[in-house]
Amino acid sequence: KQEVTQIPAALSVPEGENLVLNCSFTDSAIYNLQWFRQDPGKGLTSLLLIQSSQREQTSGRLNASLDKSSGRSTLYIAASQPGDSATYLCAVKVDSSYKLIFGSGTRLLVRP
Amino acid sequence: GAVVSQHPSRVICKSGTSVKIECRSLDFQATTMFWYRQFPKQSLMLMATSNEGSKATYEQGVEKDKFLINHASLTLSTLTVTSAHPEDSSFYICSARPLEAYTEAFFGQGTRLTVV
Repeated sequence: KQEVTQIPAALSVPEGENLVLNCSFTDSAIYNLQWFRQDPGKGLTSLLLIQSSQREQTSGRLNASLDKSSGRSTLYIAASQPGDSATYLCAVKVDSSYKLIFGSGTRLLVRP
Repeated sequence: GAVVSQHPSRVICKSGTSVKIECRSLDFQATTMFWYRQFPKQSLMLMATSNEGSKATYEQGVEKDKFLINHASLTLSTLTVTSAHPEDSSFYICSARPLEAYTEAFFGQGTRLTVV
């Protein structure tokens, strides 16, 4: 059974720092992996999607990497800003049904 | 990106009553919609998958008679929590997958249900 774990559970950094969020999954047979942002009491915003054949994806200050063989993904946020404060969730798609299995998230606080 | 709208965004109901949550794809047709539940500080857990015009597929441990799902059209799925109890209080989020192949699902903004 696929399990997705995210560490740390919470992270507080001063504005301007570069930071890395980690996601690990137990079964390397995945279709893709997505990183989402969730603001308090809100839905999900997709940030980056990495197909199983890809190693990384970039969007602005965000860079996500994928190492299927080791079951790991990282989300790198450069020059963090207070507006980046949110919960970041990773999720893997395990088959063609489009079902996603989510990690428990990392709550990020970027202090001004 | 594509827009998925959930209504209501917040609802408070009395124990024993039923609550209906709507999930609409506003600018695309969705063959498949997914319903997730999220407890405080926990991750999203898939409850069920609904396909337009057919019965929903429920995940293990989810009571189909308590969580009624209807997907009557390509743009609307509804989740009805029947005989709600305080332990059903949670954040419910839907996602919808467009008809086009190889397109990922888009998420609604969620519904906060509080049963008192």
